[in-house]
Amino acid sequence: RKEVEQDPGPFNVPEGATVAFNCTYSNSASQSFFWYRQDCRKEPKLLMSVYSSGNEDGRFTAQLNRASQYISLLIRDSKLSDSATYLCVGRNSGNTPLVFGKGTRLSVIA
Amino acid sequence: DTAVSQTPKYLVTQMGNDKSIKCEQNLGHDTMYWYKQDSKKFLKIMFSYNNKELIINETVPNRFSPKSPDKAHLNLHINSLELGDSAVYFCASSQGDGANVLTFGAGSRLTVL
Repeated sequence: RKEVEQDPGPFNVPEGATVAFNCTYSNSASQSFFWYRQDCRKEPKLLMSVYSSGNEDGRFTAQLNRASQYISLLIRDSKLSDSATYLCVGRNSGNTPLVFGKGTRLSVIA
Repeated sequence: DTAVSQTPKYLVTQMGNDKSIKCEQNLGHDTMYWYKQDSKKFLKIMFSYNNKELIINETVPNRFSPKSPDKAHLNLHINSLELGDSAVYFCASSQGDGANVLTFGAGSRLTVL
C-alpha cells in the first residue's frame, strides 16, 4: 500500500464551485503534511502546509484528521487558474524525505 | 534568474546509451535532490545530498550515479539506459535536509527508445 493515497480524479467543476480533495496516509508516525500544486508539464510548487488545527489561505482550506489518518484540501470559488494537479505530501519525522501522493487532477471549466 | 535550473530539458536516446542530466541552484541551499516522475505521475525520491554528501539513496539501480561537485550542483549520470528509465527527472533543493519546502527545477523529460 502506498504511504500517501489520493483519488486521481479528474474532478471537473464549473467556475465558482467549491471542491474538496481527500488524501489518506498509512504511516501513523507521519508528522508533517503539505499540499503541492503541479501544473501540466511543470514542476511541483508548495501550495500550503497543513496544520493540526486546520488552516486557511484565501480560498484554500487545509485540514488534518489524525484519528482517521487523512488530510483534506477545500477550494472555494474555483477559478480557471486553479486547474492543476494537487499533490498530497507527508513526512514521517526528522530528516526523512517528503513522500508525494500521485496527485488529484482538477479541471475548472468556464 | 532561474533558481533551480536543469539541463537538458528534453532528452531522447536509444536503449543502452549513457546520458547525464545537470542541475544547478543559485538559492544558497545546502541540500539537493533528484526525484523521478513516471508515466503514472508518481513522484519518487531517488537521491538527496546535503553539503555534497549523500544522505538518501533510495532503491535505485546502480546504473544511476549522482555526483555533487559542490553544494550548488547535483548531476545525475545514467548508464545503460533502459526503456523503463523513461520519465521526467526533477532536481530540487532546500535549506536543510529536513526542510518542508522544496524548490524544484523545471524537469528533464527523458525518453528511451
